[in-house]
Amino acid sequence: GAGVSQSPSNKVTEKGKDVELRCDPISGHTALYWYRQSLGQGLEFLIYFQGNSAPDKSGLPSDRFSAERTGGSVSTLTIQRTQQEDSAVYLCASSQLAGFTDTQYFGPGTRLTVL
Amino acid sequence: KQEVTQIPAALSVPEGENLVLNCSFTDSAIYNLQWFRQDPGKGLTSLLLIQSSQREQTSGRLNASLDKSSGRSTLYIAASQPGDSATYLCAVRPPQKLVFGTGTRLLVSP
Repeated sequence: GAGVSQSPSNKVTEKGKDVELRCDPISGHTALYWYRQSLGQGLEFLIYFQGNSAPDKSGLPSDRFSAERTGGSVSTLTIQRTQQEDSAVYLCASSQLAGFTDTQYFGPGTRLTVL
Repeated sequence: KQEVTQIPAALSVPEGENLVLNCSFTDSAIYNLQWFRQDPGKGLTSLLLIQSSQREQTSGRLNASLDKSSGRSTLYIAASQPGDSATYLCAVRPPQKLVFGTGTRLLVSP
């Protein structure tokens, strides 16, 4: 595709509900990354995929957060039993390779609001 | 743990001024440094990427420098325009993930 796409663009949910956020990376990109940008906080890394496997999950804040990637393409970030502190913009990025020098291209993000 | 700091947090300038944004990082063991801009409600747009072996990169009115040994990078914007108004983020890359600074919010007034 032309760029990284994410859906939905906005999600409002009630505390305690589960949500799924979707990321479509640029076609052919093998590496996929999830980041979170909370109000007043910087961008923080959540998880990274190389193909369908996740070598680095170190940024997931709790076991309520999980992510998967299928077919080396689309990824879904799932947040179970959402809490108000989960409210943030969730950004996805992809890069052609998982090398250390590749540029990461970002999607527009999903703004999650937990009431 | 790598920490990235950006100064100033906010900057307001009149159109036409040249300006410098600063980024510092605590661990010099990086592979590259990337500058992004973020417009309200939008994702990140990559502006410049400097590999650890490089000293600077230029793109149009933008010039970014990297001094890995001192843990510093600067983004120079020449002849600023109102369209440059955005939040500018620097990010360093240890293996794989990016570690971001907190950003500089730039406002260029006509």
